[in-house]
Amino acid sequence: DIQMTQSPSALSASVGDRVIITCQASQDINYYINWYQQKPGKAPKLLIYDASNLESGVPSRFSGSGSGTHFTFTISSLQPEDVARYYCQQFGNDLLFTFGPGTTVDL
Amino acid sequence: QVQLVQSGAEVKKPGASVKVSCKASGYTFSSYYMHWVRQAPGQGLEWMGTINPSRGSATYAPQFQGRVTMTGDTSTTTVYMELSSLTSEDTAVYYCCRGYTNCAYWGQGTLVTVSS
Repeated sequence: DIQMTQSPSALSASVGDRVIITCQASQDINYYINWYQQKPGKAPKLLIYDASNLESGVPSRFSGSGSGTHFTFTISSLQPEDVARYYCQQFGNDLLFTFGPGTTVDL
Repeated sequence: QVQLVQSGAEVKKPGASVKVSCKASGYTFSSYYMHWVRQAPGQGLEWMGTINPSRGSATYAPQFQGRVTMTGDTSTTTVYMELSSLTSEDTAVYYCCRGYTNCAYWGQGTLVTVSS
């Protein structure tokens, strides 16, 4: 099974700061990684798919990059409404999903 | 618009089974896989498996093999997730979500509480 490590587990930043979250896969997953935002009591929301593609309607301050085993998710200028938990998720050839453990972003 | 509407909260005793439904609308039901993801209180997201509604074939996460069954009904555009031999560790919010390599649309979640 492919394991995903995500770091940091939590971070605190100020409005306007650049926030970077990383995810590492235990084996090459090409570009099959997605990023979600989850706010308390709500379902997750897809922000980035296939490593670097912005989901429709998602603000352009969110971005993703990487391929193979190392991936990065960036919020270019943190806004108050971005306080949430963020998860990476990989998709394998065997149709299995794996979520990273998540990163809590606070102000 | 795409909508996934799940069944209501459940309370079950240890050892029982639970069946959660997810009714899809606003798109061609058989054209998209449906996944099930759960989240225990204060914990992260855990993928349980996926079903191809057009074929009725399902793929399950190894940790749920033998205990979970996912089915679909194309006539009612509804998918079901049944989890058996429940323990307190199965207390969680269960989500259905539509997609293949990712989940762009999610149901509202169904809280399943396992308690004696």
